[in-house]
Amino acid sequence: DSGVTQTPKHLITATGQRVTLRCSPRSGDLSVYWYQQSLDQGLQFLIQYYNGEERAKGNILERFSAQQFPDLHSELNLSSLELGDSALYFCASSAIGQSNSPLHFGNGTRLTVT
Amino acid sequence: GQQLNQSPQSMFIQEGEDVSMNCTSSSIFNTWLWYKQEPGEGPVLLIALYKAGELTSNGRLTAQFGITRKDSFLNISASIPSDVGIYFCAGSGGATNKLIFGTGTLLAVQP
Repeated sequence: DSGVTQTPKHLITATGQRVTLRCSPRSGDLSVYWYQQSLDQGLQFLIQYYNGEERAKGNILERFSAQQFPDLHSELNLSSLELGDSALYFCASSAIGQSNSPLHFGNGTRLTVT
Repeated sequence: GQQLNQSPQSMFIQEGEDVSMNCTSSSIFNTWLWYKQEPGEGPVLLIALYKAGELTSNGRLTAQFGITRKDSFLNISASIPSDVGIYFCAGSGGATNKLIFGTGTLLAVQP
């Protein structure tokens, strides 16, 4: 058990809808990362937060947004969903948020857009 | 998105065999990490490497940080069925401040 909790585990929704994925980092970790994993793209970095502030941005679409709250949990919001957004979405956390910090991953949310 | 070249893409071996996989980058990295992902779960950190030439073991797993700082290797000795999964390398440093993941090596072990 990595200590990173993600909910929900599965999500099925229709195109055009909006969903929110939630992540609680390991106790004591200040930084949260979001990754998207699809069959043909591997693990793609979306965005990183450190202690409530955005730290780095990757290949995150404008339809997607995230935030980290004062209690350090994070939410990833996906809107105007398209079929191609179907993927596994992973949250990871690290203690200090530096690029060489090992990441600890949750078990992911599997999003299916129909 | 930017990714590391990881090979082989997949391996199908017999229980007891040794396994080698590697990861290469066009950039110099300061950190190499190796993860294993099993079905339905998130990647789990196996080994972290922080210094060129470093050789680190975790049980039957051994990983090395290449001298050129552009590659890393993972070896698994005497494979067992529970070694099945996808192995990812990840690197950071140099031109990018982000942790970049390799494309993964799928390992299947025949009992």
